[in-house]
Amino acid sequence: DTAVSQTPKYLVTQMGNDKSIKCEQNLGHDTMYWYKQDSKKFLKIMFSYNNKELIINETVPNRFSPKSPDKAHLNLHINSLELGDSAVYFCASSLGGTSGEQFFGPGTRLTVL
Amino acid sequence: QQQVKQSPQSLIVQKGGISIINCAYENTAFDYFPWYQQFPGKGPALLIAIRPDVSEKKEGRFTISFNKSAKQFSLHIMDSQPGDSATYFCAAKTPDNFNKFYFGSGTKLNVKP
Repeated sequence: DTAVSQTPKYLVTQMGNDKSIKCEQNLGHDTMYWYKQDSKKFLKIMFSYNNKELIINETVPNRFSPKSPDKAHLNLHINSLELGDSAVYFCASSLGGTSGEQFFGPGTRLTVL
Repeated sequence: QQQVKQSPQSLIVQKGGISIINCAYENTAFDYFPWYQQFPGKGPALLIAIRPDVSEKKEGRFTISFNKSAKQFSLHIMDSQPGDSATYFCAAKTPDNFNKFYFGSGTKLNVKP
């Protein structure tokens, strides 16, 4: 039973398009995250939600908009895709509070042509 | 400004040898220091973690050494195996409810048979 799942696994699209990535966790965690991993493998946090409330919003272009319909889901919508958006996007979740353990999804490889 | 600095960028070790990866951090308020293992095409998975009130933690062949005064921590993999070949990330977490994680830049480990 997958703990953190993401769809799709691969996404290939043209510049200027709008796309969404979905994430679901069945761990009962309160906090969910989106990370971007670039071609050099560097992991950078983009957003974090705690109980559907946005709590971390890093310096990310406005074209990126997270949405959390409930605490088990955190989706990422990207408008007007650019070449530089090509990366692997990871969703993660954690219990929150003083607990540190974070679980990652399998990633979505986004390629913008 | 990178909050967590990781070295080396890549590491080649013979089977049976010891792999050592180092990380240094700036923020003395960090309260949780995990290490993640990432295989190609997969999300990072928690390997082992330590809190700053402990100087060492061992789980099987994996040991974290933590030096609070030097603001450094390291991962030691004893009896390294080809199956350990992966990218390893250190990270540090803020103590507040935001649970924000800062990741090191990653170390690609190759264990030669």
